[in-house]
Amino acid sequence: AQSVTQLDSHVSVSEGTPVLLRCNYSSSYSPSLFWYVQHPNKGLQLLLKYTSAATLVKGINGFEAEFKKSETSFHLTKPSAHMSDAAEYFCVVSLYSGAGSYQLTFGKGTKLSVIP
Amino acid sequence: DTGVSQDPRHKITKRGQNVTFRCDPISEHNRLYWYRQTLGQGPEFLTYFQNEAQLEKSRLLSDRFSAERPKGSFSTLEIQRTEQGDSAMYLCASSLGQNNSPLHFGNGTRLTVT
Repeated sequence: AQSVTQLDSHVSVSEGTPVLLRCNYSSSYSPSLFWYVQHPNKGLQLLLKYTSAATLVKGINGFEAEFKKSETSFHLTKPSAHMSDAAEYFCVVSLYSGAGSYQLTFGKGTKLSVIP
Repeated sequence: DTGVSQDPRHKITKRGQNVTFRCDPISEHNRLYWYRQTLGQGPEFLTYFQNEAQLEKSRLLSDRFSAERPKGSFSTLEIQRTEQGDSAMYLCASSLGQNNSPLHFGNGTRLTVT
């Protein structure tokens, strides 16, 4: 069985300070991992993905994430928060579920607030 | 804009009525997914198509729910005899046929059952 845990339901940072959104996964196999962002009343947008290449993955809007197998973690970071980063962030694990199909499991989300 | 489009954006219906949502995926994508998202939760998988074939259905998809993708292009999701518990955001996503291709999501259809 696979699962993903986002350790914080809400993170608040000041504009210009670093962002850290934490994600841990459990999987019997090597997973593919994604981070998505959702702005209010919008669909989800892919930030970045890890698919067993480089462990440090760079995404859009200055975000990056590091895959650490020993810690089963895939935390999302950004050096300096902007007001426009305020949104909900979802960590997603993808595993092969047979018959050519991949099952995506979403975390419950972390709401990021950015204080001016 | 050639992204995933969903229609309608909002639907308010009375309990017991039937509703149908439409999703138009990105044209070259042969995989299409439906998810449901309730307040404070991440999206939950409902069903998935490869071209016109419905390959997987979640246990969340009760017999009141049916999805089709008749020509392997757009898809519809119908909910019969709606219940208040069906109130949620219904998200459609599409992807290329390669394994682990990222999903591209539409803006969703928000259903409110009164």
